[in-house]
Amino acid sequence: QKEVEQNSGPLSVPEGAIASLNCTYSDRGSQSFFWYRQYSGKSPELIMFIYSNGDKEDGRFTAQLNKASQYVSLLIRDSQPSDSATYLCAVNGGNQGGKLIFGQGTELSVKP
Amino acid sequence: GAGVSQSPRYKVAKRGQDVALRCDPISGHVSLFWYQQALGQGPEFLTYFQNEAQLDKSGLPSDRFFAERPEGSVSTLKIQRTQKEDSAVYLCASSWRAQGSLNNEQFFGPGTRLTVL
Repeated sequence: QKEVEQNSGPLSVPEGAIASLNCTYSDRGSQSFFWYRQYSGKSPELIMFIYSNGDKEDGRFTAQLNKASQYVSLLIRDSQPSDSATYLCAVNGGNQGGKLIFGQGTELSVKP
Repeated sequence: GAGVSQSPRYKVAKRGQDVALRCDPISGHVSLFWYQQALGQGPEFLTYFQNEAQLDKSGLPSDRFFAERPEGSVSTLKIQRTQKEDSAVYLCASSWRAQGSLNNEQFFGPGTRLTVL
């Protein structure tokens, strides 16, 4: 079992819809959870982080964390074609110290 | 202010050559990380520095890989006797917090794409 798992996609949604991206992790001691966006040929760009159970909202983005289920998600409201990218879930802490453990990423395509 | 910078952006090496990749973190950032990203995969951790101390090198794939950060700012990742399987994008990230902090956001540089022929 991979330490951080994401569906590779592609996930296709129409413009204006809600995109839901999911991630599960195996280390129960994990403490912080990050979502990065990566455009093709570019480096990862931090969107949000969360470390408390529940929801955290920032503009069109909402991160959700459920530590009991070892599950973290990212919702993108009013999806735009410019949101088309690969979204990487990353986990920090627990037995991993300061390093980030990444999932393989979910490719999102927003169709006009 | 300036973000994380890396050089060169692209490097082509013949198998067996040595290469050196440079990372210039955001000024004042304590923590510096190196990751390796293969095509279609998420980044994989290589090594971590807190100031000049290399606290974790568990991700370095072999003893051909060596990293240093002698003055606690610029870091160099060196790969000796490169092999084809070393071809990847090498990403550097920095954070102003030390490990153990909950909101230890890491900011990535543009990466160095290494191709070994």
